[in-house]
Amino acid sequence: AQTVTQSQPEMSVQEAETVTLSCTYDTSESNYYLFWYKQPPSRQMILVIRQEAYKQQNATENRFSVNFQKAAKSFSLKISDSQLGDTAMYFCAFMFQEGGSEKLVFGKGTKLTVNP
Amino acid sequence: EPEVTQTPSHQVTQMGQEVILRCVPISNHLYFYWYRQILGQKVEFLVSFYNNEISEKSEIFDDQFSVERPDGSNFTLKIRSTKLEDSAMYFCASTQIRGAGETQYFGPGTRLLVL
Repeated sequence: AQTVTQSQPEMSVQEAETVTLSCTYDTSESNYYLFWYKQPPSRQMILVIRQEAYKQQNATENRFSVNFQKAAKSFSLKISDSQLGDTAMYFCAFMFQEGGSEKLVFGKGTKLTVNP
Repeated sequence: EPEVTQTPSHQVTQMGQEVILRCVPISNHLYFYWYRQILGQKVEFLVSFYNNEISEKSEIFDDQFSVERPDGSNFTLKIRSTKLEDSAMYFCASTQIRGAGETQYFGPGTRLLVL
């Protein structure tokens, strides 16, 4: 079974600083994809960043980057120059194909607060 | 930018009642999903839907649940006889094409409370 673990239920960071959210996963799949989604208070989940497991290069999207360690099954998210608008719940998710359909398996989430 | 929308945002119902949760996926998307998140727990896959039929469903998606696309725009999740443990946030998602790794776009969720 595929599992995703986010070990930090809550984190806080000062505006303009850098924060890293951790995520580990467990799978026997060889082909999969990893995602970080952000859910601001009372709003929908939006994609932050995406990583293909077959790519060694870490994905980067503006101030967001990942540290993907495939052997360690680790997929952490780094947010640089944190902004107040980054305050949100962050979900790490793993996608694989099963039975002709793509399934997302989520972690429990990390609640990030950016303080002024 | 197009978004997935869901109605209602909140619903309170009595145990044993039927509820219908509605979703409007992004207009050119063809693949639809329902997920749920019980408070304090993980977001869990319920069902995927394509071409007017279920592609895949989880063990959570028992006979009390059903999905349909009644009119080509709405995508609904029906819970026939709600139980207390159905209280959760329900998320709809959609994708344009199928392929592992295709980003799923989520709606804001419906918070269902069963009393």
